[in-house]
Amino acid sequence: DADVTQTPRNRITKTGKRIMLECSQTKGHDRMYWYRQDPGLGLRLIYYSFDVKDINKGEISDGYSVSRQAQAKFSLSLESAIPNQTALYFCATSDSRAADTQYFGPGTRLTVL
Amino acid sequence: QKEVEQNSGPLSVPEGAIASLNCTYSDRGSQSFFWYRQYSGKSPELIMFIYSNGDKEDGRFTAQLNKASQYVSLLIRDSQPSDSATYLCAVNKGGGSNYKLTFGKGTLLTVNP
Repeated sequence: DADVTQTPRNRITKTGKRIMLECSQTKGHDRMYWYRQDPGLGLRLIYYSFDVKDINKGEISDGYSVSRQAQAKFSLSLESAIPNQTALYFCATSDSRAADTQYFGPGTRLTVL
Repeated sequence: QKEVEQNSGPLSVPEGAIASLNCTYSDRGSQSFFWYRQYSGKSPELIMFIYSNGDKEDGRFTAQLNKASQYVSLLIRDSQPSDSATYLCAVNKGGGSNYKLTFGKGTLLTVNP
C-alpha cells in the first residue's frame, strides 16, 4: 500500500464549484504540505501544517483553504474554483525528527472549466 | 535572481554514458540539498540528499556539493532509458526552516538507446 495517498486522482469541475482534495498518510510523519505544479512554473507551496493545531500559508495560498483533521489527514479546498487553478496538486509529508525530507503523494490532476 | 536555477534541457545522452545535471542556488544560508526524479505526470521521487561539501554516492547516482560556489550537481553513471525523466533540485535552509523546500524548475533528461 502507498504511504501517501491522494483522492481523487483526477477531477474535472466547473468554475465556481467548491472542491476538496484529500491526502492521507501512513508514514507517521508530523508535517504535511500541499503543492501545485504548473508547466514552466515548477512546484509551489500552497499550505503546510506542522501538526494538527498548526496551519501555515505558503507562497500561493489565495483561493485555497486547508484542514488538518488528524495527524494523518490533510485536505485542501478550493472554495470557488477558477480556471487558473487548473494544475497538478501534490501532497507531501515529512518527519521533523528525521531531517524533514519530503515524500510526495501520487498527485491529483485538477481541471477547472 | 531566481532562488534555485536549473537548465531546463532537454539534456540528451546515449545509453551507458554519464549524465550530469546541474543546479545553482542564491541563498548562502542554504544547508540541505535534494534531488528528485519526476516521470511525466507522476509525483517527484526522492533520489538522494546531501548536506556536506563534497561527493555522496548511492549506486549509480553521485551528488556533488560546493557551497562556496553555491552549486550542486547530480551525476548518473551508466545511464539507462529508464532514467529519462525530469530531475528537480530542491534546497532548504535547515534549522528551524527545514520545512521550506525551494524547487528548481527541473531539467529534462533523455537517455537514448
